[in-house]
Amino acid sequence: DAGVTQSPTHLIKTRGQHVTLRCSPISGHKSVSWYQQVLGQGPQFIFQYYEKEERGRGNFPDRFSARQFPNYSSELNVNALLLGDSALYLCASSSSRQKGPTGELFFGEGSRLTVL
Amino acid sequence: AQSVTQPDIHITVSEGASLELRCNYSYGATPYLFWYVQSPGQGLQLLLKYFSGDTLVQGIKGFEAEFKRSQSSFNLRKPSVHWSDAAEYFCAVGTANDYKLSFGAGTTVTVRA
Repeated sequence: DAGVTQSPTHLIKTRGQHVTLRCSPISGHKSVSWYQQVLGQGPQFIFQYYEKEERGRGNFPDRFSARQFPNYSSELNVNALLLGDSALYLCASSSSRQKGPTGELFFGEGSRLTVL
Repeated sequence: AQSVTQPDIHITVSEGASLELRCNYSYGATPYLFWYVQSPGQGLQLLLKYFSGDTLVQGIKGFEAEFKRSQSSFNLRKPSVHWSDAAEYFCAVGTANDYKLSFGAGTTVTVRA
């Protein structure tokens, strides 16, 4: 079975531009989470979606938005890019529908965004 | 809010030697605790998790971790490291009332021959 797949794997943008990152969860998983990992730091929670509904949002500005589609895939959108948005963006899926991380999170390999 | 501290940024260990990675958390109630490993260019892989019960948890790849409530710690151990264990290791904490995981800054492990 395929794991969590993310695209693109690498991309370069300039300040002020917009970016869309995509994630396909493991088949059967209805929960998708997004994390930002800045170089040298641990991942920071951005969003979690379950069956197209936003369940949680981290401490990120409104420039960050996401959505989940009927097939449970997800997009993360970042507007008005800043240099500080350069990071590895990780998507994780889970089969759990309960509040609390009782289900294992399966991570993709990430999308590495560089903002110049 | 919960937080996680990994005091060691970088650890170098000889192949075959034992390894211990430290993790301290801050949270009022019983946390859900995790250890993940990240190899270069890869996503995160779950090594083990603790929710309740036996405080010594066994994971994949020969790793184990011990939950010590009195010390607010969840240290990861491996008796004998292999060169393939060179990677970055992250401790994470979650709670029953939240959907997110809070990660530590990570510990990079280098294995020398």
